[in-house]
Amino acid sequence: EVQLVQSGAEVKKPGESLKISCQGSGYTFTGYWIGWVRQMPGKGLEWMGIIYPGDSDTTYSPSFEGQVTISADKSTNTAYLQWSSLKASDTAIYYCARRGGVFYMDVWGKGTTVTVSS
Amino acid sequence: QSALTQPASMSGSPGQSITISCTGTSSDVGNSKYVSWYQHCPGKAPKLLIYDVSDRPSGVSNRFSGSKSGNTASLTISGLQAEDEADYYCSSYKTTFTWVFGGGTKLTVL
Repeated sequence: EVQLVQSGAEVKKPGESLKISCQGSGYTFTGYWIGWVRQMPGKGLEWMGIIYPGDSDTTYSPSFEGQVTISADKSTNTAYLQWSSLKASDTAIYYCARRGGVFYMDVWGKGTTVTVSS
Repeated sequence: QSALTQPASMSGSPGQSITISCTGTSSDVGNSKYVSWYQHCPGKAPKLLIYDVSDRPSGVSNRFSGSKSGNTASLTISGLQAEDEADYYCSSYKTTFTWVFGGGTKLTVL
């Protein structure tokens, strides 16, 4: 079964760093792009960026460029989303998803809830 | 990046058909054959319903169909069922390797 398993919920303080993960299984991880999507409380989905684990080629949405870092470790079939200094406005659910075709995401993780509060 | 425009909410009775619109611009929806639709139930992973404007992944009910005219894409759900109650999002190619999502439509089955 093709699946993406995301790391568990996080509660952090403003200014702290964080790295959440998304592990793929059931398919050739290095052969598909992995994207990250944010959903802030009560809001819609926002596309953050995407990485090709095969060579770590990465593209960011202009809204998130410089705010987060997307990376991947092909030895563990895992993609990552990280922050160096969290803000309260980073409180959201973060989904990873596999790019299944030219421009759609066919497999999604269940999401990681990140809460940033002092 | 500006989100695509969807109605914030819609409702319908079981058995009815409803159509959710997704309006963009000539820079995204209007210039793209890569529009997709997702169903999102709170607390669950989003699910791909339609890709490439009107194609359906295997396993998705044929009650779901997609189309596009000009800068507006549409998702039609026929024979509404209680289980269709969810949030629905459209998405389109924006520029090379960047996506844009619609604001989402909350569907209520009366």
